[in-house]
Amino acid sequence: AQKITQTQPGMFVQEKEAVTLDCTYDTSDQSYGLFWYKQPSSGEMIFLIYQGSYDEQNATEGRYSLNFQKARKSANLVISASQLGDSAMYFCAPLCYGQNFVFGPGTRLSVLP
Amino acid sequence: GAVVSQHPSRVICKSGTSVKIECRSLDFQATTMFWYRQFPKQSLMLMATSNEGSKATYEQGVEKDKFLINHASLTLSTLTVTSAHPEDSSFYICSATDWIQSGNEQFFGPGTRLTVL
Repeated sequence: AQKITQTQPGMFVQEKEAVTLDCTYDTSDQSYGLFWYKQPSSGEMIFLIYQGSYDEQNATEGRYSLNFQKARKSANLVISASQLGDSAMYFCAPLCYGQNFVFGPGTRLSVLP
Repeated sequence: GAVVSQHPSRVICKSGTSVKIECRSLDFQATTMFWYRQFPKQSLMLMATSNEGSKATYEQGVEKDKFLINHASLTLSTLTVTSAHPEDSSFYICSATDWIQSGNEQFFGPGTRLTVL
């Protein structure tokens, strides 16, 4: 995977509402994985969710779900019922076979009380 | 499981000194470790990939004589920033993976914030 685009450098969401963070990528590979990470102000990278390109169902993990559209090469992260602790940077990272992680530019999410 | 530690978490040094950052996988053997650098308000950029017992593979534009990587064991990799200068000030993050057990998933350390005065 090469170019990764996260079109929203910053987003605001009201507490308890849902928010969608966009991610599109460019790859010619058919088999790859998609990761989303959260980075709070402390700096640690927290793994959120993973989707394999051949997975037929969109991945879900608690309040996190992926809206994966392979033909469009997009893997948007949906956070339901936002919490104040969700305020952080969010990075999309496709991983193609035989290659290393390439992180998108990130989206800074701010949850408003 | 799958815990990765980094030491130190924060270091401040004078220009011209060398700084060593350790990355340890605490409860698994890491077949591969990765070193990333992150400047303020930017994304993580891969610096190098290291496999135990072999030379690190550096990304384009990363000076291997400047950033020395030693992967001496399956649980420890070190990054030494030699003759550090203010432009080397950054957040350095390592990650580790065990291809056999965990496939592609990388487990990240908490990061080291380097400030060079």
